Amino acid sequence: AQTVTQSQPEMSVQEAETVTLSCTYDTSESNYYLFWYKQPPSRQMILVIRQEAYKQQNATENRFSVNFQKAAKSFSLKISDSQLGDTAMYFCAFMITGTASKLTFGTGTRLQVTL
Amino acid sequence: KAGVTQTPRYLIKTRGQQVTLSCSPISGHRSVSWYQQTPGQGLQFLFEYFSETQRNKGNFPGRFSGRQFSNSRSEMNVSTLELGDSALYLCASSLDGTAGEKLFFGSGTQLSVL
Repeated sequence: AQTVTQSQPEMSVQEAETVTLSCTYDTSESNYYLFWYKQPPSRQMILVIRQEAYKQQNATENRFSVNFQKAAKSFSLKISDSQLGDTAMYFCAFMITGTASKLTFGTGTRLQVTL
Repeated sequence: KAGVTQTPRYLIKTRGQQVTLSCSPISGHRSVSWYQQTPGQGLQFLFEYFSETQRNKGNFPGRFSGRQFSNSRSEMNVSTLELGDSALYLCASSLDGTAGEKLFFGSGTQLSVL
């Protein structure tokens, strides 16, 4: 069975600063995808960034980037130049290749961006 | 382009009743998946439908069922409701559910069982 662990229940960062959210996972599979999703108060889950496990290069999307360490099974999210609109729950998620749309989520990190 | 639409937004039921939730995917998307979100268990995968067929199923009792129509709209049904079924139910759609494909989520249906 696959597990995803987010050890930081809550984090706070000042506007314009950088913050890193941690995620570790456990699997015996070799082909999989990793994701970070954001859930604002509107409750709608929004994809932030995606990483294919077979790619060594870390994914980036504007102010968001990941540090993917496959051997350590670690997948952290770095948010640069934090904005008030980044305030949300952030979920790390995992999907095995071949399991259509079946995401395994971590417990989430609540991020608060302050002035 | 309209997003994923879930109805109703809120629902209150009593124990023993049954409930049906609806999900309309983004136009052109043929895969619809359902997730349950609770404070205690977090986000858990319920099932996924593609072309009216269930392709994948999570570890939920048989009281939880679903179906998909020819227009890709999906419904999920929970029979004999229990207090523990109180949760936010999220629906997600994608083009064909290929691994790694981006999932687009709706805003969910908040179910309260009294």
